[in-house]
Amino acid sequence: DAGVIQSPRHEVTEMGQEVTLRCKPISGHDYLFWYRQTMMRGLELLIYFNNNVPIDDSGMPEDRFSAKMPNASFSTLKIQPSEPRDSAVYFCASRPGLNEQFFGPGTRLTVL
Amino acid sequence: KQEVTQIPAALSVPEGENLVLNCSFTDSAIYNLQWFRQDPGKGLTSLLLIQSSQREQTSGRLNASLDKSSGRSTLYIAASQPGDSATYLCAVRPGGSQGNLIFGKGTKLSVKP
Repeated sequence: DAGVIQSPRHEVTEMGQEVTLRCKPISGHDYLFWYRQTMMRGLELLIYFNNNVPIDDSGMPEDRFSAKMPNASFSTLKIQPSEPRDSAVYFCASRPGLNEQFFGPGTRLTVL
Repeated sequence: KQEVTQIPAALSVPEGENLVLNCSFTDSAIYNLQWFRQDPGKGLTSLLLIQSSQREQTSGRLNASLDKSSGRSTLYIAASQPGDSATYLCAVRPGGSQGNLIFGKGTKLSVKP
């Protein structure tokens, strides 16, 4: 298996622009997670899905952030409008049941 | 609220040393605990998963132990190598929770040749 796939790997955008991050989980994994990592705050959970249904989005910073999972093999995290403080590395992870969790390589987002 | 602490934040050792990384958590009601490795600019790589009913797990030169009652886990690395240099993160899944892993801030390990 190719593991969790994220795109793009790097994104540089200007403040106010819309940003869409993409994730393909490992096939057969029924949980999908979006995290954000910064030096100051470490790893933070933004939202997670079980069987394509959002279960907990309490970590989503504000209404500018939204996430969808239209099917078992694809999820998006959208930021609109983006702000410089959104600059971070965004990770997607997937998991089969309550077992081992696997992370993607991350998307490094820079908002100028 | 579950909190996970990793001490020290950074560790530097000469090649060949055996070393121990520490992880503590405040609520012993956990479902499992997972150790990860993160290389600079990369994602997290899963190293070991210990279920709450287990005391330890081993993979190659790595051995992770779990003492749930005292809220502690250790990651033992035998015969360290420069390639082991990375940040090591510990994460717990609270009992009764289907979701989130609670992460520590990690220990940055540097193994000098």
